Amino acid sequence: QLQLQESGPGLVKPSETLSLTCTVSGGSISSSSYYWDWIRQPPGKGLEWIGSIYYSGSTYYNPALESRVTISADTPENQLALKLSSVTATDTAVYYCAKGRVGAQETWGQGTLVTVSS
Amino acid sequence: QSALTQPPSASGSPGQSVTISCTGVSSGVGAYDYVSWYQQHPGKAPKLMIFLVNKRPSGVPDRFSGSKSGNTASLTVSGLQAEDEADYYCSSYGGSNNWVFGGGTKLTV
Repeated sequence: QLQLQESGPGLVKPSETLSLTCTVSGGSISSSSYYWDWIRQPPGKGLEWIGSIYYSGSTYYNPALESRVTISADTPENQLALKLSSVTATDTAVYYCAKGRVGAQETWGQGTLVTVSS
Repeated sequence: QSALTQPPSASGSPGQSVTISCTGVSSGVGAYDYVSWYQQHPGKAPKLMIFLVNKRPSGVPDRFSGSKSGNTASLTVSGLQAEDEADYYCSSYGGSNNWVFGGGTKLTV
């Protein structure tokens, strides 16, 4: 059974870069059947799609975040990575990684809370 | 890209049915069948309930159903149960390899 686990610092200083890892078990991130998403949810608010990476390596980002976001894949380690630069307090959120297929996020990680504060 | 529009709240009594709407710009909900719905209990990750407008993943009760008409998608929960009380989010393909979520609806049973 596919499982996803996000990890990374829970506290990031303003103007610095947020870096998270999503470790996938029970399946390969290089499968052509899926794509992989990062999604975030500020405390008490709704979901926001951050971006996707496909097995081909192609990436697509939310236009509102595109200038600051990088999503990559480490196939040997079966991990996904998210980097968000120049963070501010508005980037405080629970960050989720998810497996996508036929236009939906089928499987989600448990999420990790990242707080931006000095 | 604009978020999809959902009512902030919905409610129903046990056994009743409730429908949650999700309205999007013409390039989103109205143009594609990539509409999905997610259930989120407090402190938990979202769970996929409906994909491709009206398909249920394995394990999701058939009390949950989805539909779409024009620019509006809907999620109907029939035979409401206490455990259905949660936040529900719709999502749609927004074109240009982008995805967009609705603002969420808090369902009270």
